[in-house]
Amino acid sequence: SAVISQKPSRDICQRGTSLTIQCQVDSQVTMMFWYRQQPGQSLTLIATANQGSEATYESGFVIDKFPISRPNLTFSTLTVSNMSPEDSSIYLCSVVLAGGGGELFFGEGSRLTVL
Amino acid sequence: AQRVTQPEKLLSVFKGAPVELKCNYSYSGSPELFWYVQYSRQRLQLLLRHISRESIKGFTADLNKGETSFHLKKPFAQEEDSAMYYCALSGRNKFYFGSGTKLNVKP
Repeated sequence: SAVISQKPSRDICQRGTSLTIQCQVDSQVTMMFWYRQQPGQSLTLIATANQGSEATYESGFVIDKFPISRPNLTFSTLTVSNMSPEDSSIYLCSVVLAGGGGELFFGEGSRLTVL
Repeated sequence: AQRVTQPEKLLSVFKGAPVELKCNYSYSGSPELFWYVQYSRQRLQLLLRHISRESIKGFTADLNKGETSFHLKKPFAQEEDSAMYYCALSGRNKFYFGSGTKLNVKP
């Protein structure tokens, strides 16, 4: 397994502001993803974070709202821009480890509340 | 399009009773199926995957390609099994999750 650190673990933000969430992994990673888990709902894939290039977004998610960076194999950031209360959610970083079995490992998540 | 369906939001059973959490999927190809579990105040973690055909914590799951199902079973539920369970599908380098089933094992 690996240690997947997400920061911040939680935050309360004002409408219209932006927040950047960081994800750091202590092992080599092949794939890195960002998910959203809204209250009482399942995990929704936001995007695949690609090293050194633009992320691949799922339907319903756009770069202007959720810019993602992945400057190296083990670090990524997700920014939630121009936040509204509908963005209140848990944001999860998840990875597939190099040399692993191909399963997904998760960070503890960043709980975001937008007032 | 890919889809993972877990029809039960909540499943309550008594300790020692059998439990089955249902999962159906749709995918045009050969997916890999997983069960993930999230205990209270812990992160999501892998419980088992169909290719390993293991029994983990007494749980098993068999992939039925004809019925496109991957139901999770345990013959005798324990209180410590109470958690959220998510069925997941992996294909084309992405992972998709069902809506989850909350298992509540009563004493």
